Amino acid sequence: DAGVTQSPTHLIKTRGQHVTLRCSPISGHKSVSWYQQVLGQGPQFIFQYYEKEERGRGNFPDRFSARQFPNYSSELNVNALLLGDSALYLCASSLSPGFSYGYTFGSGTRLTVV
Amino acid sequence: ELKVEQNPLFLSMQEGKNYTIYCNYSTTSDRLYWYRQDPGKSLESLFVLLSNGAVKQEGRLMASLDTKARLSTLHITAAVHDLSATYFCAVDLDNDMRFGAGTRLTVKP
Repeated sequence: DAGVTQSPTHLIKTRGQHVTLRCSPISGHKSVSWYQQVLGQGPQFIFQYYEKEERGRGNFPDRFSARQFPNYSSELNVNALLLGDSALYLCASSLSPGFSYGYTFGSGTRLTVV
Repeated sequence: ELKVEQNPLFLSMQEGKNYTIYCNYSTTSDRLYWYRQDPGKSLESLFVLLSNGAVKQEGRLMASLDTKARLSTLHITAAVHDLSATYFCAVDLDNDMRFGAGTRLTVKP
């Protein structure tokens, strides 16, 4: 059974550009969360979606947006990229928010902004 | 605002020794997770702790949760080199999961 899949695995963008990151949850999982992990730090919560609705949002600017599709896959969009957006972006899925078995993380997308 | 604090942030151990990593958090929650991360890799789930007094063990690692003290511990017994990694605790508030800064563990021969 496939785990959480993220694409692309690596990405290099220029300041001011836009980026779209994609995540496919484990089959049957309806909740998807996005995290940003800057090198040397713990992951920071960006968004949580459940049943295609936004259920939570972290302390990130409006340049960050996301959506969840009917098949429960998700996209994270970042506009007007800054150097500080360089990070590992992780997607996690679970059956539902706060599900007792926790969350499964994908391998991440490494974004470098130059 | 929920804060999650881990200590120590860096830990260098000799093989065969025991040590404990601490995770303190600032608000009521009965769901706490421990994850392992190897360099350049994603997060691997180690333990899910769901109630006060919960204790779980897997190999040389044992995790516990005291919701009244808002404290979780990850105890390492007889460390081996393969345990070298960064360990994160995370507190789940349904719509927001907050991670500690991580403990970078190095186990030396």
